[in-house]
Amino acid sequence: DAKTTQPPSMDCAEGRAANLPCNHSTISGNEYVYWYRQIHSQGPQYIIHGLKNNETNEMASLIITEDRKSSTLILPHATLRDTAVYYCIVRPYSGNTPLVFGKGTRLSVIA
Amino acid sequence: DARVTQTPRHKVTEMGQEVTMRCQPILGHNTVFWYRQTMMQGLELLAYFRNRAPLDDSGMPKDRFSAEMPDATLATLKIQPSEPRDSAVYFCASLGQQYNEQFFGPGTRLTVL
Repeated sequence: DAKTTQPPSMDCAEGRAANLPCNHSTISGNEYVYWYRQIHSQGPQYIIHGLKNNETNEMASLIITEDRKSSTLILPHATLRDTAVYYCIVRPYSGNTPLVFGKGTRLSVIA
Repeated sequence: DARVTQTPRHKVTEMGQEVTMRCQPILGHNTVFWYRQTMMQGLELLAYFRNRAPLDDSGMPKDRFSAEMPDATLATLKIQPSEPRDSAVYFCASLGQQYNEQFFGPGTRLTVL
């Protein structure tokens, strides 16, 4: 079972920041928070990951609360191409651990 | 731009037929995963390999599914005999070494009539 809770859907206006929350209250000390997204009819795509510090890359920013029980993925300037299902996944850093997908959040970016 | 490739992209077959799906991981990636996605179950793991050896295939129905890696550039998933409930999108992913992130292929959409 997925160890995360996400809202089923969210809307965001094009050009605005999209803030996608995720609860992972049972996260263990050795587990990282990973975010993937799946655009319609495509395979999931890695976005970003973090342990306890905030992270930023060319796609997004990840804010993890100090107690690590929740996090927020931020797309700073959402475009129509960001419409997708976003999955928050907690897992050990070891590459031998498969991804356990929940239902994710369906983000709709509206013009 | 290195990508995971999967063939075929679409497959329609009749119940009872054998289905073989193929995956070419990104060169140098030595851990390969197979996932299945349906509307009801979402994305779920079927099996995964490291250095061509199976690490876990507990997600696969053993009586009809088999997964192999004949060599480092090819992973296969076979269903024999296929059943309508096997209709799904099957994704292959290979593991990157920079962030332990998984790179997914475009999937094989299987329809069993």
